[in-house]
Amino acid sequence: DAGVIQSPRHEVTEMGQEVTLRCKPISGHDYLFWYRQTMMRGLELLIYFNNNVPIDDSGMPEDRFSAKMPNASFSTLKIQPSEPRDSAVYFCASSSNRAVREKDTDTQYFGPGTRLTVL
Amino acid sequence: RKEVEQDPGPFNVPEGATVAFNCTYSNSASQSFFWYRQDCRKEPKLLMSVYSSGNEDGRFTAQLNRASQYISLLIRDSKLSDSATYLCLSCGQNFVFGPGTRLSVLP
Repeated sequence: DAGVIQSPRHEVTEMGQEVTLRCKPISGHDYLFWYRQTMMRGLELLIYFNNNVPIDDSGMPEDRFSAKMPNASFSTLKIQPSEPRDSAVYFCASSSNRAVREKDTDTQYFGPGTRLTVL
Repeated sequence: RKEVEQDPGPFNVPEGATVAFNCTYSNSASQSFFWYRQDCRKEPKLLMSVYSSGNEDGRFTAQLNRASQYISLLIRDSKLSDSATYLCLSCGQNFVFGPGTRLSVLP
């Protein structure tokens, strides 16, 4: 399996622009997570989905952020309009609660992240 | 108080040393726990799941103490390649990472 795939790997944009981050989870995983990591705040959960349905979006900082999961193999995180304080690394992770190996159950596997810089 | 706390370190230890990290959590409803390691500018990678009976994988041992609400990670015979940030994850009604503990293993 290719693991969790994220694109783009790097994004530099200007304040006010729309930014769309993309994620393809591991095939067969039924949970998908979006995290943001900064030096100041560490790794923060923004939102997670179960079977394509958003379960908890309490971590989404404000209305400028939105996430969708139109199908089991694709999710997007959109920031509109972007601000300099949104600069961070955004990780997508996926997991399954029905893994074949017990040790894989509920284990979150992370993508390589998208490094976002908003100027 | 943060829901999951860790000593940020850094822990600077010589090769071959034994080092232990603790991670405390405040939500007694948390059900499962994990240790991840994160190298600089990389994504977190699973190190170990933490089972109630404790879990050992080579030089690494993880334990859970529900009464005191902490999990621990013990690294024996530390290697240079163990240098990284170690993050604990608490899962239950929500998913919360600790801030991480930075380990530097020195030659």
